[in-house]
Amino acid sequence: DAKTTQPPSMDCAEGRAANLPCNHSTISGNEYVYWYRQIHSQGPQYIIHGLKNNETNEMASLIITEDRKSSTLILPHATLRDTAVYYCIVRARGLAGTASKLTFGTGTRLQVTL
Amino acid sequence: GAVVSQHPSWVICKSGTSVKIECRSLDFQATTMFWYRQFPKQSLMLMATSNEGSKATYEQGVEKDKFLINHASLTLSTLTVTSAHPEDSSFYICSARGVAGELFFGEGSRLTVL
Repeated sequence: DAKTTQPPSMDCAEGRAANLPCNHSTISGNEYVYWYRQIHSQGPQYIIHGLKNNETNEMASLIITEDRKSSTLILPHATLRDTAVYYCIVRARGLAGTASKLTFGTGTRLQVTL
Repeated sequence: GAVVSQHPSWVICKSGTSVKIECRSLDFQATTMFWYRQFPKQSLMLMATSNEGSKATYEQGVEKDKFLINHASLTLSTLTVTSAHPEDSSFYICSARGVAGELFFGEGSRLTVL
């Protein structure tokens, strides 16, 4: 799986949008971009994933650049509960019935403040 | 969304004893589950891939005789830490593949070996 680079930490004021960047310059054509987050002492939580189009769900939006070498996770209105470590992972989707493993980097520690 | 449950959520044991951790997919079947270990202030490290009905595949540096993995059914995988020592104290997390390919994680099991 391609390596990713994320800033080690970020701060965001509550109510503002949190924009978390991720570089994945060596991503290959069959690799998706996944985002997970881990709140302290809990298992990781799936947020969103995409291949090349921008994606949005109830939790966040994912913006992938046209060359796919970087992406940004956007939490539109951050709350204190969004304080967590956010992991950007690129991974081949795997064939039906199989599952390719997730390799975690160091992630970005997002601190949402009042 | 898919739910993955781990039990116990925390366990304290004496050095030299064995500890079993269960990982269950509650509302879906998982032919593949993954086991991770996380030390304080570090990222998740993949230990092994658990395949239903066959032997687990271990990552380099992980002792298969120390970390026994059994995936006897499509909804249950177990990790047994044999002859646990204080250096095995860690946060153990499992994950299972959902129907759309994303991986869902359990809540984690914190092991403390005295």
